Amino acid sequence: AQSVSQHNHHVILSEAASLELGCNYSYGGTVNLFWYVQYPGQHLQLLLKYFSGDPLVKGIKGFEAEFIKSKFSFNLRKPSVQWSDTAEYFCAVISSASKIIFGSGTRLSIRP
Amino acid sequence: DVKVTQSSRYLVKRTGEKVFLECVQDMDHENMFWYRQDPGLGLRLIYFSYDVKMKEKGDIPEGYSVSREKKERFSLILESASTNQTSMYLCATSPGGRDTIYFGEGSWLTVV
Repeated sequence: AQSVSQHNHHVILSEAASLELGCNYSYGGTVNLFWYVQYPGQHLQLLLKYFSGDPLVKGIKGFEAEFIKSKFSFNLRKPSVQWSDTAEYFCAVISSASKIIFGSGTRLSIRP
Repeated sequence: DVKVTQSSRYLVKRTGEKVFLECVQDMDHENMFWYRQDPGLGLRLIYFSYDVKMKEKGDIPEGYSVSREKKERFSLILESASTNQTSMYLCATSPGGRDTIYFGEGSWLTVV
């Protein structure tokens, strides 16, 4: 069965630290990959997405993610986090038409 | 901008009551989804619809039903609410295929 794994459930960082959130999926075919963010009290928003082409994709608010097909990974990165990045982050994969699989989410807490 | 509107943000219902959660989208999207979000479990798909009057079960359809009489509206129905259905319910839409999914703000349902 298809699955998406986010191994870090809760990450705590200080401001200006670098961030990397892991995401691995299990599916051997063509995939579209997404990172969504949910700020406290707000709805899920698209952070970035990969459909094809350059495996390094840039999103909003300085986030980027790299698709490594051989590792079935799509890790999210940010060089220097801010307190406002406190949120929950979800990785998601679409491998067949219309059905998206989400990871269980990673809660990011930033210490001022 | 895609707008996905969930009619009720916060509801409190009694055990055994019938509950309707409404979702309306304004982008003429083919696909609509209902998820529930619980801490540590991420997003779990309840039902989705890829056309008017069409529906398919997701991963956790038990205790729920849906209705899609018009393209822009997708309703989630809890026939007889139970306390284990206390959760955040998220409606989402997408144009179809493996395209981006857009979320509403969510409906917090508490069953007492």
